Order: sequence, then structure tokens, then C-alpha cells
Amino acid sequence: QAVLTQPSSLSASPGASASLTCTLRSGINVGTYRIYWYQQKPGSPPQYLLRYKSDSDNQQGSGVPSRFSGSKDASANAGILLISGLQSEDEADYYCMVWHSSAWVFGGGTKLTVL
Amino acid sequence: QLQLQESGPRLVKPSETLSLTCSVSGGSIYSDNYYWGWIRQPPGKGLEWVASIYYGGGTFYNPSLKSRVTISLDTSKSQFSLRLHSVTAAATAVYYCARGVIDFSSGYRADALDVWGQGTTVIVSS
Repeated sequence: QAVLTQPSSLSASPGASASLTCTLRSGINVGTYRIYWYQQKPGSPPQYLLRYKSDSDNQQGSGVPSRFSGSKDASANAGILLISGLQSEDEADYYCMVWHSSAWVFGGGTKLTVL
Repeated sequence: QLQLQESGPRLVKPSETLSLTCSVSGGSIYSDNYYWGWIRQPPGKGLEWVASIYYGGGTFYNPSLKSRVTISLDTSKSQFSLRLHSVTAAATAVYYCARGVIDFSSGYRADALDVWGQGTTVIVSS
């Protein structure tokens, strides 16, 4: 079982909110991890969006709009990237990442379609 | 503004060694506040971390690649490099170099990979 699992795709309408999940493998407690989120558009490198561990331990990437925010769902053992006020330019692949057992691990990515 | 630029052969033969270099400009590579890394992305697939290196010493490797990978730092040239030995077609990917942040205040030696190069495509084929 993969360390991080993301849904392969998600669709949402312009102006709406989108909640992207990153579920940690059973036995790995999301509460102890900083979860990092990246956005990647076709033909471009990933862009760092934000980091979230808790409300007191979080960081917005440089120049990243406040429409992008992080949270966790402890009951689901998952990290969440919330994008509010969706815009067409938000259509992209989104990856979560954690530092686990002295290695960076990426989730498989979620393709967000804004339509 | 920090910029990273990957360079290296586009085509590598199976069983040979893939060698890439990342040139760092607009900032210092010899800093205790940052570390440096390589990440790859096979065609149409997701991201895979390959390796990281710290200026003060210390390297970390993806366990699945550890036996075949070497990452090194050349501060005189403001570059860091990746060597992947005995490649197969599975190594075909876009390879990105990136800067990582060290968050001393919170005790995190491995924090966000916050600046990335544009990536370079490597194809493994005979």
C-alpha cells in the first residue's frame, strides 16, 4: 500500500471550492506530519503551494494566493488542500508530499478540472 | 532571484550511467539554510524523489534507487550533480533539480522543496 494516496481526478465549477485529499497509509498518523502541496501545469515544473501540519505550523508558498489553504481530517487520516473561488487557471495536477522514513514521498497526484 | 538549470545528455543507452548537473545562480549553494535535490517524472506519470544533499554534509537517497545513485555538490562551480548507474528504460523521465529549505527553528532538516528548475528530459534507449 502506498504511503500517500490521492484521488486521480476531481472536477469542480468556476467559483466553487475544491477539496483535494491526501490519505496516509494506515499506521502512519497524519497528525505527526507536515504535508506539502504542489501544483503542476502541463509542460511546467511543480510549484510549491503550501505546507500544513497544524494551525500553528503552516506556511504559504511565496506569492501563493490565500485561496489555497491546507487542513487535515484526522478521522480520515488525510491532509487536505482547499481551493476556494476556483478559477480556470487552477486547472492542473496537484501533488502532496511528506518526509517519511528519511525520504521524500509524493502522492500519485490529482488532476483538477475546472469546468 | 534564485534560478536552477539542469543540463546533461538527452539520450542514454541502457546499462550506462545517467549524469546530470544542476547549475545554481542568483543565490548561494554553500548555505546551511538549504539543501539540494533531484526529482524525476516519467512521461505521463507522477513525481518521484531521487536524492538530496546538504552543504554541511549528508545525503539521502530514495530507497528504491539507493544502490545505483550518487548525488554530489561542487561549491566551486555552484553546481550539484546526479549520477544514476545501470539505467533501464524505466529511468526515462523529466529530471528536475530543486532547492529545499532547512527549518532550524522547528527542527526540520528537510522542509519544502521551494524552488525548482525547468527540468530536462532524459530518454534511455539504444
